[in-house]
Order: sequence, then C-alpha cells, then structure tokens
Amino acid sequence: DAGVTQSPTHLIKTRGQHVTLRCSPISGHKSVSWYQQVLGQGPQFIFQYYEKEERGRGNFPDRFSARQFPNYSSELNVNALLLGDSALYLCASSLFTSGSPDTQYFGPGTRLTVL
Amino acid sequence: AQSVTQLDSQVPVFEEAPVELRCNYSSSVSVYLFWYVQYPNQGLQLLLKYLSGSTLVESINGFEAEFNKSQTSFHLRKPSVHISDTAEYFCAVSKSSNTGKLIFGQGTTLQVKP
Repeated sequence: DAGVTQSPTHLIKTRGQHVTLRCSPISGHKSVSWYQQVLGQGPQFIFQYYEKEERGRGNFPDRFSARQFPNYSSELNVNALLLGDSALYLCASSLFTSGSPDTQYFGPGTRLTVL
Repeated sequence: AQSVTQLDSQVPVFEEAPVELRCNYSSSVSVYLFWYVQYPNQGLQLLLKYLSGSTLVESINGFEAEFNKSQTSFHLRKPSVHISDTAEYFCAVSKSSNTGKLIFGQGTTLQVKP
C-alpha cells in the first residue's frame, strides 16, 4: 500500500513569491495535517483538515493557508514568502475515527528553500 | 498547553551498547505519547506509541518506552544499538481529545559509532 505522498520533493523560491505544496493521504485516511520543520528543530503544527474543514490551526500567520479536496488530498499555500519560511514541510494523514485514538503517518516532506 | 522536552540534543554511543533517550512532557489533560524516527533527508516514521493500557510499549526493531505518569516521562530505550539506528528521534504528545495536533520535542540525534 502506498504511504503518504508529497510533491514536489524540493522547491526553490525567492522572497515575495507564492508556493503550493501537495499531499495525498494513505488510502482510507480522511484527516490531513501539515507541519513545518525548520533545520535542527522538531516539527511545528500548522493545520489539520478533516472532511474538507479546518479542524485546528497552529501559531502561523495568515500567509499560510490550506484546503482539502473531496478525495482527501490537500494543498498548503504560502504567500509572500520570507527567508524564514525555508523548511521541510511535512504532511501527515490519519483515520480520524471519532472516539478512538488516532495515529498520524508522515510523508517524506517537501524541502522549500527561499532565497 | 502541552510541551515536550527532550533532555539531550545528541547522544553518542558505541555499537552494541545500551541507550536511553529521555523525554519529559507537561500537560494538564490526558495525553497520548509517541516516538518518531527521522533518517537523513526523510520524513518521520512512527517508532512506537502509548495510548492506554500497559505502560511499557515496544517496537518491532528492539526499542521500548515506558510511560511514567508520576514523572511525566516517556523515555526511549534499546539494550543494544546498531549502526543503522543512527538517526534523529522525536518525542511527541497529543491531547487524547484532539489527536490531530502533535506537539514535538526538539529531537535527539543518536550517533552510533563502530
């Protein structure tokens, strides 16, 4: 079975540009979460989406947005890129079964470099 | 709010020696606990998790972790490490009422030397 997939693998942008990152969850998983991992640090929670609705948001500016599609895939958008947005962006999917513990499974990430 | 502290940023150890990676958390509510491993230039892989029940949980590759509620710890141990265990290890916590948001520690780099 395919795991979580993310595209592109690497991306180089300049300050002020916009970027879109894509994520396909494990088959059957309905929840997608996004994390930012700056070099040398642990991942930081950005968003969680379930059934196309935002279920949680971390402490990130409004330049960060996301959406989930009917097939449960997701996009993360970042506007007006700053040098500090350079990071590995991780997508995680989970079943999100109500009343049951959930476990998140991560994709390989998209490495974003802002010059 | 929850927080996770990994007490060691780097742990060097010789092959076949035992190792312990320390993790402490703070939370005022019930939580689930996780250890993830990250190999160079890869995403995170789930190593093991504590949801409920037995406080000692094990992974398929010889790691184990023990949930200690009184000490709010979830230390990771392995009795004999291999070169292939060299990686970054992250401890994470989520509220049991909202498992969609993981709070991660800063990570511990395990360096296994021959």
